[in-house]
Amino acid sequence: AQSVTQLDSQVPVFEEAPVELRCNYSSSVSVYLFWYVQYPNQGLQLLLKYLSGSTLVKGINGFEAEFNKSQTSFHLRKPSVHISDTAEYFCAVSDGGSSASKIIFGSGTRLSIRP
Amino acid sequence: GAGVSQSPRYKVTKRGQDVALRCDPISGHVSLYWYRQALGQGPEFLTYFNYEAQQDKSGLPNDRFSAERPEGSISTLTIQRTEQRDSAMYRCASSLDTGGAAYGYTFGSGTRLTVV
Repeated sequence: AQSVTQLDSQVPVFEEAPVELRCNYSSSVSVYLFWYVQYPNQGLQLLLKYLSGSTLVKGINGFEAEFNKSQTSFHLRKPSVHISDTAEYFCAVSDGGSSASKIIFGSGTRLSIRP
Repeated sequence: GAGVSQSPRYKVTKRGQDVALRCDPISGHVSLYWYRQALGQGPEFLTYFNYEAQQDKSGLPNDRFSAERPEGSISTLTIQRTEQRDSAMYRCASSLDTGGAAYGYTFGSGTRLTVV
């Protein structure tokens, strides 16, 4: 079964600094990978997804992630964060292919931005 | 509807009572998923449906939990004889097609269940 490990439960950064949130997944023949964001007191929102093709995926709000098959990683990055990026970020994985449906989530990384 | 609608938003129940949580997916969305999210944790898969057929219920914790989607639209997650450990946010999501993962999900706002 697929699984996801988010190595950092909390990441504090200063405003306008770069950030990387780490994610590793269990290996499979093919995978779909996702990052979801949960702002305080809100639901889950899709940030970006990797299905195939280019390993660098761009998402909303200036975030991007890179799929690295050899390292089974899908780290999320942003070159300059804002206070409004304060949220919990979830990496998620699904088996790739036509039968893909169930998404498995990691335990989350709480991003806190210091002014 | 415009989004995934869950009701009630909040539910407080006494231990031992049964509860029914409702999810109304986006109109036309074929697949519907139930997740449970404890405080400080990621969403935990419970079960999902394609149309009215339950495809995978491997995440249901025990036989007190059940779900149905009789007409392929609205779904109900039922928890019988609730226990305090059932307290969590219950989230529903829907996707346009049966290959839901490729599309990503649209989540509802969730139902916060508190068992006292």
